[in-house]
Amino acid sequence: EPEVTQTPSHQVTQMGQEVILRCVPISNHLYFYWYRQILGQKVEFLVSFYNNEISEKSEIFDDQFSVERPDGSNFTLKIRSTKLEDSAMYFCASSEGTSTEQFFGPGTRLTVL
Amino acid sequence: AQSVTQLGSHVSVSEGALVLLRCNYSSSVPPYLFWYVQYPNQGLQLLLKYTSAATLVKGINGFEAEFKKSETSFHLTKPSAHMSDAAEYFCAVIPTGANSKLTFGKGITLSVRP
Repeated sequence: EPEVTQTPSHQVTQMGQEVILRCVPISNHLYFYWYRQILGQKVEFLVSFYNNEISEKSEIFDDQFSVERPDGSNFTLKIRSTKLEDSAMYFCASSEGTSTEQFFGPGTRLTVL
Repeated sequence: AQSVTQLGSHVSVSEGALVLLRCNYSSSVPPYLFWYVQYPNQGLQLLLKYTSAATLVKGINGFEAEFKKSETSFHLTKPSAHMSDAAEYFCAVIPTGANSKLTFGKGITLSVRP
C-alpha cells in the first residue's frame, strides 16, 4: 500500500541552525501539507502546497519557514534559524484532492537545544 | 473560524466495553469530518470520514461515527473495546467547499483495561 515517508525520524539541532525536513508524498497525489504537534498539544496546520506553490499558510508559518518540491518526489520543509519553540513533531501529509483523505507520514521529531 | 471540540483528555474503558469518544464542531454549514488515530510513536491514520453522504459512517477496526447536524456532533463509537485500541484519537474538520486545511481537536487518549 502506498505511504508517505519522512526523514529523518528524529533531528536534534542547536538553536539558530537551519534544518530541512524531508517527505516523499504518495506518488499520484497533488496536494501536500505540513503540520506540527508540540508535545502535549493539538496537531496544527502549517502550510499547504499545490501546483508548485503555497496555497495556504498559517500564522505559525513565518519567514523562517519555507517549503519546496525540488524534484518530482520530494517535498521539504526548511526552518532557517531554529528556535527552542520549534521543537515539535512535524508531520507531512498528501492527498489527491482538496477535501479527500490526507495521508500522513510517521513524522519527524525535531528537538532544538 | 472552524473549530473542533473534544471534551476531556483521557477515557478509560474495560476490554469489551463500549467506546464513546465525543467530537463537536462549530459550523453553520456541515463540514467534512474525520477521525484519525495515533498509536504510540506512529503517525496519524485515518479511521473514518464523513463527506456529506451517509450520516452513519463505518471505519476501520470496528469503529463508526454518526454525523448529527442538529447537535453539530460526530461522536466515535466502537461496541467492544480491544486492548489494541489504546491510542490517541483526533477529530478533525475541513470546511465544505473551502480549502483543504485540516483543523484538529486537541485529541483524547483512550486506555483499555484488561
